[in-house]
Amino acid sequence: GQQLNQSPQSMFIQEGEDVSMNCTSSSIFNTWLWYKQDPGEGPVLLIALYKAGELTSNGRLTAQFGITRKDSFLNISASIPSDVGIYFCATTQGAQKLVFGQGTRLTINP
Amino acid sequence: SAVISQKPSRDICQRGTSLTIQCQVDSQVTMMFWYRQQPGQSLTLIATANQGSEATYESGFVIDKFPISRPNLTFSTLTVSNMSPEDSSIYLCSVEPDTQYFGPGTRLTVL
Repeated sequence: GQQLNQSPQSMFIQEGEDVSMNCTSSSIFNTWLWYKQDPGEGPVLLIALYKAGELTSNGRLTAQFGITRKDSFLNISASIPSDVGIYFCATTQGAQKLVFGQGTRLTINP
Repeated sequence: SAVISQKPSRDICQRGTSLTIQCQVDSQVTMMFWYRQQPGQSLTLIATANQGSEATYESGFVIDKFPISRPNLTFSTLTVSNMSPEDSSIYLCSVEPDTQYFGPGTRLTVL
């Protein structure tokens, strides 16, 4: 099946720093989704992108749908302790199936 | 957004037994999905549960191992049959394509 390459796999940063992670694929997609998963919880949708080149913000989070439709990035500004967790990119394959990246584990040192 | 609940939230089971996981949504939805998340891994779709028809399974997952029921538009069950330690995972249900919302997951440990 189609793979999404998400990087970095893990990040260790200081509180207050900005974070950037990205997701790439060899195929074109019409949707890019970014989820966050806290320990013991299901993934929560952060941002959904539907148009090539689209830039969308949600508070301190900003995500962009790459112009080639093969990539997306997620930025978090001024990180805080509650940003800790695993961030997944995902796309829709076919009409319904979600395909996930491997995840980026974010750790924040206070 | 949909509010999704799952039961049980976690369980520890003996190998060879079966566990049925329930997923309840607070509104009627057409599509419900079941995912598996193995320890330290990403999410993998097991099957799509359609109301009124048989579930559609992804490659590597079979009905005998993961039977699914979808009796109405707000409820579905996933059974993990004849469990082995390799089935230890978090099992999650979600609803709707494109912007899927996930339940809290069921953490299964098989001894």
